[in-house]
Amino acid sequence: GAGVSQSPSNKVTEKGKDVELRCDPISGHTALYWYRQSLGQGLEFLIYFQGNSAPDKSGLPSDRFSAERTGGSVSTLTIQRTQQEDSAVYLCASSLTGEGETQYFGPGTRLLVL
Amino acid sequence: GENVEQHPSTLSVQEGDSAVIKCTYSDSASNYFPWYKQELGKRPQLIIDIRSNVGEKKDQRIAVTLNKTAKHFSLHITETQPEDSAVYFCAASPNNAGNMLTFGGGTRLMVKP
Repeated sequence: GAGVSQSPSNKVTEKGKDVELRCDPISGHTALYWYRQSLGQGLEFLIYFQGNSAPDKSGLPSDRFSAERTGGSVSTLTIQRTQQEDSAVYLCASSLTGEGETQYFGPGTRLLVL
Repeated sequence: GENVEQHPSTLSVQEGDSAVIKCTYSDSASNYFPWYKQELGKRPQLIIDIRSNVGEKKDQRIAVTLNKTAKHFSLHITETQPEDSAVYFCAASPNNAGNMLTFGGGTRLMVKP
């Protein structure tokens, strides 16, 4: 079946602009995660959605970052007033539930802030 | 919160040799430990995982061991092949924290033919 998909695959923006990144999880997966991977680094947790519960935003690095998940499926990560340090690959993952289940990653969106 | 340390950061082995990557974690509540393989420009893919109710798990040439007392776990790859070359990430997660993963910094494995 279809895996996790993300769009766009690449995004180049100017400092100060807002960007929106989209994630389509695997159908039926109730848990959705956003991670950030800076060049040559590990993955850093950003935010977690589980069903209709309030999201866990504990990993968001600043209030310029926000995310929503509509209808329990598609999620959008928004970065306002982008900074050069926001340049990274943003990875989305989904799992069947939020309890010790395998997380399947999307291909990521490579964001470059000039 | 959880902190995961991973060593070595780079590892070069000859084809056919074994490779071992080690991780330590800080949160004793962590009980799920996956390993991901990431090839250049690709998404991370799960290769094996272990839960805290077992000490070892094996899948063909790949095995993972877990020592909960010492809070460390290791990935073992035997009979390495050039296609094993990639970056490997360990991660840890406490189930009661919604399963978000805390990742190690990664190990770049190079298998020389």
